[in-house]
Amino acid sequence: GAVVSQHPSWVICKSGTSVKIECRSLDFQATTMFWYRQFPKQSLMLMATSNEGSKATYEQGVEKDKFLINHASLTLSTLTVTSAHPEDSSFYICSATRRLAGGRGTDTQYFGPGTRLTVL
Amino acid sequence: DAKTTQPNSMESNEEEPVHLPCNHSTISGTDYIHWYRQLPSQGPEYVIHGLTSNVNNRMASLAIAEDRKSSTLILHRATLRDAAVYYCILGGSGGSNYKLTFGKGTLLTVNP
Repeated sequence: GAVVSQHPSWVICKSGTSVKIECRSLDFQATTMFWYRQFPKQSLMLMATSNEGSKATYEQGVEKDKFLINHASLTLSTLTVTSAHPEDSSFYICSATRRLAGGRGTDTQYFGPGTRLTVL
Repeated sequence: DAKTTQPNSMESNEEEPVHLPCNHSTISGTDYIHWYRQLPSQGPEYVIHGLTSNVNNRMASLAIAEDRKSSTLILHRATLRDAAVYYCILGGSGGSNYKLTFGKGTLLTVNP
């Protein structure tokens, strides 16, 4: 199967601090990685699309200077929430499409287990 | 983005088949139909996807209408572990063109 991990699974931090969340594809190379967030009782909202070696593409309304995305390799993407505030408390989920020969991605997104961020 | 319409909730009994409907009347010719499900406090899990023909895998079957304006996810024998929110999503295929826009989905309750 295609496994995506996230670390940490949960984090509590003080307001004003920065938090880094890692997303790894464990058994495949990821063509593209995506970052979502989900507030309680709501659906997932796409934050940004990330390709290895290039800048992330952010969805409208998502502050790129607040949510820093680094896609350093074909198996690792990180999301850093800078100067976190209580309204940033949410469930952050990443996903990845598997890279096939020729560089094309698969039709399937594989999701990580999510990271619960609580900002006090 | 092309939209989908799903019932807010459905209920089923254990070991019975479940048919989860999805309407997507504005689907374009290149849109794939994807189904994911999400258990509480977990990331979504891929279920199945298709373009035009019906699809089967070990988890479920996907029946796609001939005009592609609707589809049905079929769980052949529901178990308690199938209780989740099921999302029907239209999207492209491959790479950075492959963005998923999640709607509210259908909350499936499975009764023992």
